[in-house]
Amino acid sequence: EVQLEQSGAEVKKPGTTVKISCKVSGYTFTDYYVHWVQQAPGKGLEWMGLIDPADGETIYAEKFQGRVTITADTSTDTAYMELTGLTSHDTAVYYCATDGPWGQGTLVTVSS
Amino acid sequence: EIVMTQAPLSSPVTLGQPASISCRSSQSLVHSDGDTYLNWLQQRPGQPPRLLIYKISNRFSGVPDRFSGSGAGTDFTLKISRVEAEDVGVYYCMQTTQFPRTFGQGTKVEIK
Repeated sequence: EVQLEQSGAEVKKPGTTVKISCKVSGYTFTDYYVHWVQQAPGKGLEWMGLIDPADGETIYAEKFQGRVTITADTSTDTAYMELTGLTSHDTAVYYCATDGPWGQGTLVTVSS
Repeated sequence: EIVMTQAPLSSPVTLGQPASISCRSSQSLVHSDGDTYLNWLQQRPGQPPRLLIYKISNRFSGVPDRFSGSGAGTDFTLKISRVEAEDVGVYYCMQTTQFPRTFGQGTKVEIK
């Protein structure tokens, strides 16, 4: 069974950085892209970017370019999403996803 | 970027009755490989999104056959043949033909 297990909720101060992990199991990590998606409270879904774990190639949405970094560790089958320069507008649930199953989500709250 | 527009944004339905959601893209979703990469996702209250349909009409693993997808080019439809209580939630169309991946605004399905 394919599973994506994300790290726990975070509370961050404005201006700081958050890094979320997504450990996959049930399939060969390097066979599929891992995407990251943002969902602000009560809002819809916004694609942030993806990584190809096979070669580390990344593609980012223009909105997040310069602030987001997605990486993958093939030794632990884990993908990471790092978001810098946090503001209150970044308060959201962040999901990792393959082209099939999604992770359970990680709530990031940005508050002074 | 490709803009995805769903209608209606809210759909009150009677249990056992059909429901239909429309999704239009601002440009054709036909990829250069000949496939059309239009997905439908379901998000139940308090849950992460779940893939229902991929490439217009293919049900993902474990998805009941009361869900069906159709369409071509820029116009797509998700149909639920007989709505059950567990179908309550928000449904999103998503295109994966082109970067950035983009989602519709979401359609809330609720029971009358």
